[in-house]
Amino acid sequence: AQSVAQPEDQVNVAEGNPLTVKCTYSVSGNPYLFWYVQYPNRGLQFLLKYITGDNLVKGSYGFEAEFNKSQTSFHLKKPSALVSDSALYFCAVRETQAGTALIFGKGTTLSVSS
Amino acid sequence: EAGVAQSPRYKIIEKRQSVAFWCNPISGHATLYWYQQILGQGPKLLIQFQNNGVVDDSQLPKDRFSAERLKGVDSTLKIQPAKLEDSAVYLCASSGRMGAYNEQFFGPGTRLTVL
Repeated sequence: AQSVAQPEDQVNVAEGNPLTVKCTYSVSGNPYLFWYVQYPNRGLQFLLKYITGDNLVKGSYGFEAEFNKSQTSFHLKKPSALVSDSALYFCAVRETQAGTALIFGKGTTLSVSS
Repeated sequence: EAGVAQSPRYKIIEKRQSVAFWCNPISGHATLYWYQQILGQGPKLLIQFQNNGVVDDSQLPKDRFSAERLKGVDSTLKIQPAKLEDSAVYLCASSGRMGAYNEQFFGPGTRLTVL
């Protein structure tokens, strides 16, 4: 069965510092991996995805994520955090075979202080 | 391009009452999803439509939840009767194609409180 783990409920960083939000996954086959961000009282917004190819994926708002197959991880990163990055971040996984559902982690709250 | 529209944004009902949520996906998107997001958890898929046909409803509590997408455009999710544990945000999402690699676009959600 597919599963996603986000081991940190909250990540705190100072503005201008690099940030990392961790995600590990478990699937029986090859994964498609996604990051979404949720701002208060708004729906989830797509940030980036890994389908195949280059392990480093670049997305919206300066975010990037690194796919590591041996560690089954897909950590979200940004070189320099902004206060406006403060939000709830979700990692999600889907098996590449058709008909499988997108499985979300429980979310990590990112708090960036000025 | 207009996003996914949902209404109402908030709903408060007593247990055992019924409630309905409406979703209008992005124009041209054939795939539509309903998710339940309980506080402190990630969204959980309830049902997936491709046009007006159901692709996956394996996690839909069919004794009380129902959903339809009659004309392959907008969709309605109904709960009857509601239980306290149904308190959650109900998210609608759409995707332009059914491929598993395609990102989904989410609406703002409907926050349901069951008293």
